[in-house]
Amino acid sequence: SAVISQKPSRDICQRGTSLTIQCQVDSQVTMMFWYRQQPGQSLTLIATANQGSEATYESGFVIDKFPISRPNLTFSTLTVSNMSPEDSSIYLCSVMTGGSEKLFFGSGTQLSVL
Amino acid sequence: GEDVEQSLFLSVREGDSSVINCTYTDSSSTYLYWYKQEPGAGLQLLTYIFSNMDMKQDQRLTVLLNKKDKHLSLRIADTQTGDSAIYFCAESIGNQGGKLIFGQGTELSVKP
Repeated sequence: SAVISQKPSRDICQRGTSLTIQCQVDSQVTMMFWYRQQPGQSLTLIATANQGSEATYESGFVIDKFPISRPNLTFSTLTVSNMSPEDSSIYLCSVMTGGSEKLFFGSGTQLSVL
Repeated sequence: GEDVEQSLFLSVREGDSSVINCTYTDSSSTYLYWYKQEPGAGLQLLTYIFSNMDMKQDQRLTVLLNKKDKHLSLRIADTQTGDSAIYFCAESIGNQGGKLIFGQGTELSVKP
């Protein structure tokens, strides 16, 4: 399995500001993803973070609101831009190692927007 | 579109078996997963099953898959208070690795 570190683990932010969440993996992984878990809800895939190219977004999510970077095979960032209270959620980084069907998750970033 | 359904709550006594059920819609799913989420924590991969299997056993966990009915279950034998958590069922979207559709989660409460 991969060890996934997410920072920050939690934050309280003011509306209109932006927050960048970092995800660091202890080994090179082929695929990295960002999921969102709204309060009391299940998980929804935001996007696939592609190394060296633009992320692939799922329906309902756009790059202007959730810009993603993945400069190498062990690191990715997700920015939540121009935040509103509706963005209050847990954001989780996940990784799939090469040739593996297992998807592992980081411990998540709990975001509260006031 | 794809959808995964679970019952929201399950309560059992310590030492009993727990069975958490899940139905899914994507018949082309390659893998089906069970994750555990404890309060304030991320998701822990418990087990998964390949779509051409009927059953998988891993210590106290038994996964049963009925592909015809698109029904997945997780049985926890000898349930302990430490098993209290939310359990998520998830299906892979076709053969797109890493893209999962999650159920809404079943909150398992284990009473001493």
